This record gives sequence, structure tokens and C-alpha cells, in this order.
Amino acid sequence: GDSVTQMEGPVTLSEEAFLTINCTYTATGYPSLFWYVQYPGEGLQLLLKATKADDKGSNKGFEATYRKETTSFHLEKGSVQVSDSAVYFCALSDPGGGFKTIFGAGTRLFVKA
Amino acid sequence: DADVTQTPRNRITKTGKRIMLECSQTKGHDRMYWYRQDPGLGLRLIYYSFDVKDINKGEISDGYSVSRQAQAKFSLSLESAIPNQTALYFCATSDPPTDYGYTFGSGTRLTVV
Repeated sequence: GDSVTQMEGPVTLSEEAFLTINCTYTATGYPSLFWYVQYPGEGLQLLLKATKADDKGSNKGFEATYRKETTSFHLEKGSVQVSDSAVYFCALSDPGGGFKTIFGAGTRLFVKA
Repeated sequence: DADVTQTPRNRITKTGKRIMLECSQTKGHDRMYWYRQDPGLGLRLIYYSFDVKDINKGEISDGYSVSRQAQAKFSLSLESAIPNQTALYFCATSDPPTDYGYTFGSGTRLTVV
């Protein structure tokens, strides 16, 4: 079945460091891919998405490129801020697997001043 | 007002009690979902509904039931709460196609003692 695998956290970085959070997936069809962010005490918010191979999603300085050949959708940011501290979830929605959105386990990011 | 509102935000209940978690939305979306979040496990789908007359079990529906009272309202009930149902519960909505992503509520933190 469909699945999403994320790198385990927590990830701890200093402010202005480069961020990469790895995400790989398995899917039966041609999924759409998402990154969601969860700030402390809040629900998940859609951060960015990509709907087909080679698409790049971007928002708030974060980017992720849909790589079909490596079944990956890694999240990157060039210079993190303390306010980026949150839990990040990779997810997929696969029409070939039905309606469902499948979420990864989440990666917690701590950014130190 | 939030697009997706969950009540209560926090609840402590005793083992064996019946409890209802409520969700209402102003997005006008047909599709609504209940997820459970546990540390290290990501989000797991409990129930979903594509419209008022269409309700389906997710991957972990045992011990839970739902009611879709209107397009805008979707309630989750624990018929007889048990301690391993202690978790963070999220309601979400979407409109097809699902590659637009989900809108989440802020969550209900439930503790069963």
C-alpha cells in the first residue's frame, strides 16, 4: 500500500543554517505530494504542494521538488529562523490508492538563536 | 472565526465514559475527516465522510463512531473511553480534487484516566 517515510527527528539547527528534511514515498499511482507544518498547540497547516513529477512547491522560503525517479519530496530552506521551530509532515494523496491522504510520522525541528 | 472549529480544545474523562468531540466548518467543503495523532506515529485516519449520507471507516475505527449532522458538522464519539485513546484528535476538511490539500482544526487533546 501507499506509504510515506520521513527522517526521524528531532533536528536541531542554529539560526540561519540550511535545512533539509528527507521524505520518500511509495504509491500505486501518480500521487500529489504535500508538506504540512504544525506549530506548538496548533493544527496542521498546508505549507506547500506539488502535483506532478518535476514540479517544485514553494512557500515562506521553503521548497520541495517532486522527484519521481527517486520517489522523493525533500523539504529545504536556505536559512532557518527560530520561528520555523515546528513539526513537519510529509504527505501524499494518490488517486490510484483511493481518496486517502497518507501522512508521514513527522519530523520535529528545533532552531536555536 | 476559524475555518474549522473543534470543541472542546482539551478534555479529561474517566475510563468507561462516553464522550463526543465536535467539528464544524465554514469552508463549504463536502469531505470531512477525523484523525488521531500520537507521538512518533503521525496521523492515523479514524473515519471520513464524503457527504452527509456517506460515512466510511478509516484504519483505526474500532472504539469510535461518527455522525455527520450536516455538511458543516461532523462529530466523533468514543462510546466507552479507554486510556489508550488518550491522544490529540484532529478534524479536517477538503474538496475534490484532493490535491488541494486539507484544512485542519486546532485539535482536541483528550486524556482518558
